Amino acid sequence: DTGVSQDPRHKITKRGQNVTFRCDPISEHNRLYWYRQTLGQGPEFLTYFQNEAQLEKSRLLSDRFSAERPKGSFSTLEIQRTEQGDSAMYLCASSLMGQGKNEQFFGPGTRLTVL
Amino acid sequence: GENVEQHPSTLSVQEGDSAVIKCTYSDSASNYFPWYKQELGKGPQLIIDIRSNVGEKKDQRIAVTLNKTAKHFSLHITETQPEDSAVYFCAATPLGTGGGNKLTFGTGTQLKVEL
Repeated sequence: DTGVSQDPRHKITKRGQNVTFRCDPISEHNRLYWYRQTLGQGPEFLTYFQNEAQLEKSRLLSDRFSAERPKGSFSTLEIQRTEQGDSAMYLCASSLMGQGKNEQFFGPGTRLTVL
Repeated sequence: GENVEQHPSTLSVQEGDSAVIKCTYSDSASNYFPWYKQELGKGPQLIIDIRSNVGEKKDQRIAVTLNKTAKHFSLHITETQPEDSAVYFCAATPLGTGGGNKLTFGTGTQLKVEL
């Protein structure tokens, strides 16, 4: 078990560009979450998947954000037309729903800087 | 929705002393309360969690207490060591209510253990 991995770890982009992040959850975890963390704050929920279905999206997730989990394994988070306010750490977490297990395990995050 | 408040925002202790971090939550439906440790440049790491059917849980030097009536829970670290220095986050979620178990985090406590 290698844990949750995220790629890239750092991304610097110019305002208006599109960026895409990838998350590989712990194998066989059926739930995958995306959170955003700004400096000095706790993570804030963005969206989550159960298998390949996206079941909830936060109001924080504007139309410029889209997430997918096409085969119920890895997930991608795309931000279109990036703005300086999108600069943050984007965290992915996974969990195994059911069997009394609820723990969410986080990846190392992707730090996005929008210039 | 849920709102989690965390205090203090910074905490400095001498090595070997105890540290206590306190959180309050607003949603009486919340029944699962994990604590995460986040080191610089890394994702949050789950260190202990508690469910609302339990008042206290201990794991070596770490313990968590929960007061459902008052809607507050606390993290206790005894015999602190320099490697305990990190940012600690509390979180809350209502498990099993169809909300996807998304976590609402506090704002974090920067713990510094001084030699």
